[in-house]
Amino acid sequence: DVKVTQSSRYLVKRTGEKVFLECVQDMDHENMFWYRQDPGLGLRLIYFSYDVKMKEKGDIPEGYSVSREKKERFSLILESASTNQTSMYLCASSSPAGGAYEQYFGPGTRLTVT
Amino acid sequence: QQQVKQSPQSLIVQKGGISIINCAYENTAFDYFPWYQQFPGKGPALLIAIRPDVSEKKEGRFTISFNKSAKQFSLHIMDSQPGDSATYFCAASMNYGGATNKLIFGTGTLLAVQP
Repeated sequence: DVKVTQSSRYLVKRTGEKVFLECVQDMDHENMFWYRQDPGLGLRLIYFSYDVKMKEKGDIPEGYSVSREKKERFSLILESASTNQTSMYLCASSSPAGGAYEQYFGPGTRLTVT
Repeated sequence: QQQVKQSPQSLIVQKGGISIINCAYENTAFDYFPWYQQFPGKGPALLIAIRPDVSEKKEGRFTISFNKSAKQFSLHIMDSQPGDSATYFCAASMNYGGATNKLIFGTGTLLAVQP
């Protein structure tokens, strides 16, 4: 079974803090993704990575950066957290060898910025 | 052009009834149309998917109907059960280049199946 784990289920940070969200997958997947989920807006892609040290902007990259130093780990960084970044953050992974449309998601991190 | 529009936002169905969720898209470059199911406290999980050259796909009680000319697709849940209560997302997959596919998600439908 594919397992995608996220470092925290709940996180509370103050405005201006630097925030790190960690994601680890155990299936040797090449592709990893970061989404944010907001009510009424669905899942929106922030960044994705198709290889170690490679990254591509998604649809809403502003205010975020990512790091992928190892194949199994993909980090999302909020350089200076703001209240409008309060959201549920979901990490996912996929493999080109599997279905082109099948992504495996972690349980999410609910981030609150006060 | 990359949007996927989903309706309704929420749906209440009686046990044993049929749940229907609709999605529409514009971009003809999409190459797969998956549906994801999300239970509270969990991440979304792939439920069923269809290619645009197929008009219908059925897996158990779940069926995707696809209308390529209208650029619409829908999820039908037959004999809906309380355990089907979840949020459902339609999505469209686009090849980014090489081995990577991006998913564009709809806004989600919260389904409640009443016993």
